[in-house]
Amino acid sequence: GDSVTQMEGPVTLSEEAFLTINCTYTATGYPSLFWYVQYPGEGLQLLLKATKADDKGSNKGFEATYRKETTSFHLEKGSVQVSDSAVYFCALSDPGNQFYFGTGTSLTVIP
Amino acid sequence: DVKVTQSSRYLVKRTGEKVFLECVQDMDHENMFWYRQDPGLGLRLIYFSYDVKMKEKGDIPEGYSVSREKKERFSLILESASTNQTSMYLCASSFTSGYINTEAFFGQGTRLTVV
Repeated sequence: GDSVTQMEGPVTLSEEAFLTINCTYTATGYPSLFWYVQYPGEGLQLLLKATKADDKGSNKGFEATYRKETTSFHLEKGSVQVSDSAVYFCALSDPGNQFYFGTGTSLTVIP
Repeated sequence: DVKVTQSSRYLVKRTGEKVFLECVQDMDHENMFWYRQDPGLGLRLIYFSYDVKMKEKGDIPEGYSVSREKKERFSLILESASTNQTSMYLCASSFTSGYINTEAFFGQGTRLTVV
């Protein structure tokens, strides 16, 4: 079945460091891919998305590219801020209307 | 601004009680979902619904039921609450355009404690 595997955390970075959170997926069809962010005590918010191969999603300095050949959708940001501290989830949706989520990666950015 | 609203942020219930968690969306989405979130386990799907009065079991339906009498409302019911159902519960909705499922929109979550 469909699934998402993402990098285990927690991740701790200094402010202005480069961030990469790895995400790979398994899917039988042509899924849409997403990154969500969750701040403490809150629900998940969409960070960015890509709906087809080679699409690049971007938002708030974060980027991820849909790579069909490597079945990956890695999240990157060139310079993290303290306010980026949160839990990040990679997810896919299939044409069967279901979503599959990774287990989440906790990011802490220290000043 | 699109909204998914869960009826409570925090809830404390006693073992054996019947518990109702309500979720309302204002986006006319056909798909609605209930997840539970536990540390180290990510999000696990309890039930989902792709139309009024339709429901499908997710990965962990045991001990739960759902109701969708109106398109905008999806209720999760714990028939007899137990301490192992203490968790964060997240409701979400989405719609399908052709063969593409849009992103899921989440509510703010309900942290349920069963004592």
